[in-house]
Amino acid sequence: EAGVAQSPRYKIIEKRQSVAFWCNPISGHATLYWYQQILGQGPKLLIQFQNNGVVDDSQLPKDRFSAERLKGVDSTLKIQPAKLEDSAVYLCASSLNRVTDTQYFGPGTRLTVL
Amino acid sequence: DAKTTQPNSMESNEEEPVHLPCNHSTISGTDYIHWYRQLPSQGPEYVIHGLTSNVNNRMASLAIAEDRKSSTLILHRATLRDAAVYYCILKNSGGSNYKLTFGKGTLLTVNP
Repeated sequence: EAGVAQSPRYKIIEKRQSVAFWCNPISGHATLYWYQQILGQGPKLLIQFQNNGVVDDSQLPKDRFSAERLKGVDSTLKIQPAKLEDSAVYLCASSLNRVTDTQYFGPGTRLTVL
Repeated sequence: DAKTTQPNSMESNEEEPVHLPCNHSTISGTDYIHWYRQLPSQGPEYVIHGLTSNVNNRMASLAIAEDRKSSTLILHRATLRDAAVYYCILKNSGGSNYKLTFGKGTLLTVNP
């Protein structure tokens, strides 16, 4: 079974530039999550989708971050414009459902903002 | 969210058992105890979870205190590949918020 795919794996940009990350979840998984992991900390949930609807985006900085999951399959997370403090690993995860099921994580995208 | 407390770091020797503790004194009756681990440069991976009874799987065992205010993840024979950050997380199944809230976890070092 193929795992959660993410691209790119690494990205370096300058502050005020835009960047987008892509995630393809495990086939059949209805729930998709985006996390931000700053060095030395645990992952922090940014947004959770159930199919193509947003369930929780309470910790998403909506002035600069946006995410979509068209057709309820793959998803993109965008930052526009980026700030220095956005330097982090962005992790995508998916699960069959959001109630009791295990979350499967992708390898993440390491973003460096200069 | 109910919180967990874990030691920042622990050390073990290869092929010896490892007991990773977690305190969760404010756990509610509908909170499941989940453990995930994160190997270097990888995303977290699921290890085990339980509600009240002790649980075993191919990766580890989970021992839950009778009052559920603490639990212990047991790796029966540590290998170098078990070196990772281990996260103990409470996940509520009775409300509308089912998200995982990660803390800083315990960094496990395995010595050869």
